Amino acid sequence: GIQVEQSPPDLILQEGANSTLRCNFSDSVNNLQWFHQNPWGQLINLFYIPSGTKQNGRLSATTVATERYSLLYISSSQTTDSGVYFCAVGRYNNNDMRFGAGTRLTVKP
Amino acid sequence: GAVVSQHPSRVICKSGTSVKIECRSLDFQATTMFWYRQFPKQSLMLMATSNEGSKATYEQGVEKDKFLINHASLTLSTLTVTSAHPEDSSFYICSARGDPEEKLFFGSGTQLSVL
Repeated sequence: GIQVEQSPPDLILQEGANSTLRCNFSDSVNNLQWFHQNPWGQLINLFYIPSGTKQNGRLSATTVATERYSLLYISSSQTTDSGVYFCAVGRYNNNDMRFGAGTRLTVKP
Repeated sequence: GAVVSQHPSRVICKSGTSVKIECRSLDFQATTMFWYRQFPKQSLMLMATSNEGSKATYEQGVEKDKFLINHASLTLSTLTVTSAHPEDSSFYICSARGDPEEKLFFGSGTQLSVL
């Protein structure tokens, strides 16, 4: 199956700093999504981005499908951004989505 | 956005009992739902794909007789952990696919503790 690697595994930021999270995958994909899991376990869908660039407020994401990676940018980080960010990819449809190990982000006030 | 409701959020049970977890799509119809298991500080592991009106598809290594899945309607899927044992203790999460982008939306999860 597809291998998904996320980096860095852990990231500590001061409030207001910017960061870039990376997701590498081992094969071509038709489905790529970014999620944020808050400290209480709830996962929120941030982006559906199998290719191209999208922005939503302080967050943006870029996927370069031909080079098999995706980046999630967080600007002007806030303490509420803390949690784990997961990248998930699928080759055919949602039925084969695989999650990376996640990046644990801690934003300090 | 699409809302997925999952209940209960936390359950503690004795070894040998069965526990049922419900996953509902509140504002959309979900022909397919997914069940995951997550251990502390680890990623999500797909357990099974739940298809409305048909049998669930289980991932390799997941006991179908242990984890019973029923998807009786377009808005409800249930996961029953049968004869639970301490090693079944985990965080269980469901998700549903929303059209048209096929985004996944997640329930809030169920923390199962088996004593």
